[in-house]
Amino acid sequence: DSGVTQTPKHLITATGQRVTLRCSPRSGDLSVYWYQQSLDQGLQFLIQYYNGEERAKGNILERFSAQQFPDLHSELNLSSLELGDSALYFCASSVDPAPYGYTFGSGTRLTVV
Amino acid sequence: GENVEQHPSTLSVQEGDSAVIKCTYSDSASNYFPWYKQELGKGPQLIIDIRSNVGEKKDQRIAVTLNKTAKHFSLHITETQPEDSAVYFCAASPLYGGATNKLIFGTGTLLAVQP
Repeated sequence: DSGVTQTPKHLITATGQRVTLRCSPRSGDLSVYWYQQSLDQGLQFLIQYYNGEERAKGNILERFSAQQFPDLHSELNLSSLELGDSALYFCASSVDPAPYGYTFGSGTRLTVV
Repeated sequence: GENVEQHPSTLSVQEGDSAVIKCTYSDSASNYFPWYKQELGKGPQLIIDIRSNVGEKKDQRIAVTLNKTAKHFSLHITETQPEDSAVYFCAASPLYGGATNKLIFGTGTLLAVQP
């Protein structure tokens, strides 16, 4: 157990729907990063939050949004889902804003049908 | 933009042999280079990392080397064992880069260790 908790583990939904993925960082970590992993794109950075504030942004679609709450857990919202959004979504956490030694959760597998 | 190339995409070795995976990065501001191991159904796990002020780092059977001039870094696994079989990812990032504060990952290497 890495200490980073992601729920749900699996999610199957239809095109056009909206889903929310949840991540609880490791105890003491203030940074949360979201990554998308697909077979053809590898691990793609989506967004980072540090202590509640957006810190860095990657190739995140406008249909996707995220936030980090006061208790430091984070949610990734995916809307108007398309077949191509099917992927593994990982979150990772670290103590400070730098990506030094950060720890991944076990991921959420999203399948859009 | 930033890019990390990783080779080979697949690698099959006999148990006890060595395995080498190579990566090249494009962003000269990168100064942190971790390696992650991902087993089936799990998230990537950090196995070793190196900063740009160090040329080589070892941890038991694994080692990482860095050539900043050539923008190359490599993972070396000696005396491979079947449990080393997994997908390995290299990554690069500037530390404390502000808006560029993210790991850019290579495309992964599937390592198969044959008993």
